[in-house]
This record gives sequence, C-alpha cells and structure tokens, in this order.
Amino acid sequence: QKEVEQDPGPLSVPEGAIVSLNCTYSNSAFQYFMWYRQYSRKGPELLMYTYSSGNKEDGRFTAQVDKSSKYISLFIRDSQPSDSATYLCAMSKGVNNQGGKLIFGQGTELSVKP
Amino acid sequence: SAVISQKPSRDICQRGTSLTIQCQVDSQVTMMFWYRQQPGQSLTLIATANQGSEATYESGFVIDKFPISRPNLTFSTLTVSNMSPEDSSIYLCSVSDGKTQYFGPGTRLLVL
Repeated sequence: QKEVEQDPGPLSVPEGAIVSLNCTYSNSAFQYFMWYRQYSRKGPELLMYTYSSGNKEDGRFTAQVDKSSKYISLFIRDSQPSDSATYLCAMSKGVNNQGGKLIFGQGTELSVKP
Repeated sequence: SAVISQKPSRDICQRGTSLTIQCQVDSQVTMMFWYRQQPGQSLTLIATANQGSEATYESGFVIDKFPISRPNLTFSTLTVSNMSPEDSSIYLCSVSDGKTQYFGPGTRLLVL
C-alpha cells in the first residue's frame, strides 16, 4: 500500500464549477500538508501549505486536513480554464532534513472546460 | 520563494552515456533535493544534497548511478550515469525554506 493515495483522474469540469481534490494517507506521523499545481512541462508550484488539522483559505482555494480520518482535500471555487493542471498532494513528518522528506501523491489531472 | 533554474531543460541521449543536470538558485539555501518524476507517477526523492557534506540517497538510488555535487549554497549538479531507457524521466531539483519545498522547472530526459 502506498503511503499517500490520490485519484489520478482525469477530472473534467465546466468553468465555474467547484472542484474537490482529495488524498488519503496511512502514516499518522505526517504533520505538514501541501498542495502543488503542475502545469504541463513545468515544475510543481506550491499552492497551499497547512500544519496539522483544520482549514486554510487563499482566494478561490481552500485546503482541509482531517488527521483523524487521514484525509486531506483541496477545494477550488469558481474554477477557471487556467486552473487546468495536475494537482499533487504532498506531506511530511517534520521540517528538518530528516523529518522533512516530502511524500507525494500520484497527482490528479484537472481539466476545466470553458 | 527562491527562483530556481535548471539546465538543460530537455535532452535526448543514447544509452550508455551520462548526462549532468545543473540546478542554480538565486539565493543561498542549506538543503537542496533531487527528484525524479516518471511518466504517470508521483515525484520520488533521489537524494538530499547539503553543502559541505556527502549527499544522502534514498532507498533504491545509489551514488554510482546518480552522483551529486554541491559545491556552494546556490548550486548543485545531478549526473545520470550509464543511462538506459528506464532512466527516461523528468528530473527536478528543489530547495527548502525550512518549512516546505520549492521546485525548479525540471529537465526532461529521453534515453534511446
């Protein structure tokens, strides 16, 4: 079993839809949770960073962490064609060299149609 | 966040040869990382490169195959040695700000 599971999609939605992207994980030691966006032929770009459980909002993006269920989500409101990309979840146990190793999900490919 | 550049952006190589990938950061950073992203797969950490010490390799990756240099706090190289078609992948460097990691644009490698 992979430490982090993410539905690879592809996920196709109409412009303006609310998008929900999810990851589950098995290691309860994970404390730091991230979402990256990766456009085709580009490196991953950090979107959201959260520590422990709870919600964090940044514009149209909301990240949720439920440590009791080992489940994290990224919501995109009023989705735009420019949101079309692959979204990767990542998590780590800590921030130092040894504990800060990032474990990535497989990535979900999102397409927002005009 | 730091601005990270990589060279080359892409290359096509023959099996048995080696390729060195360069990673340049616009600010001094302690920790740099090298990842591999194979088609349809998630990012996999190859090694952690700290200036002034030997790189630390993850399980399944060895120094003879992926030698790394870290001569200063803004630069690192990853060499993919004795390449085979299985090494065809995107290679990414990243840096840490102490909380999370930021990635370069990647090097797309195709081995024939």
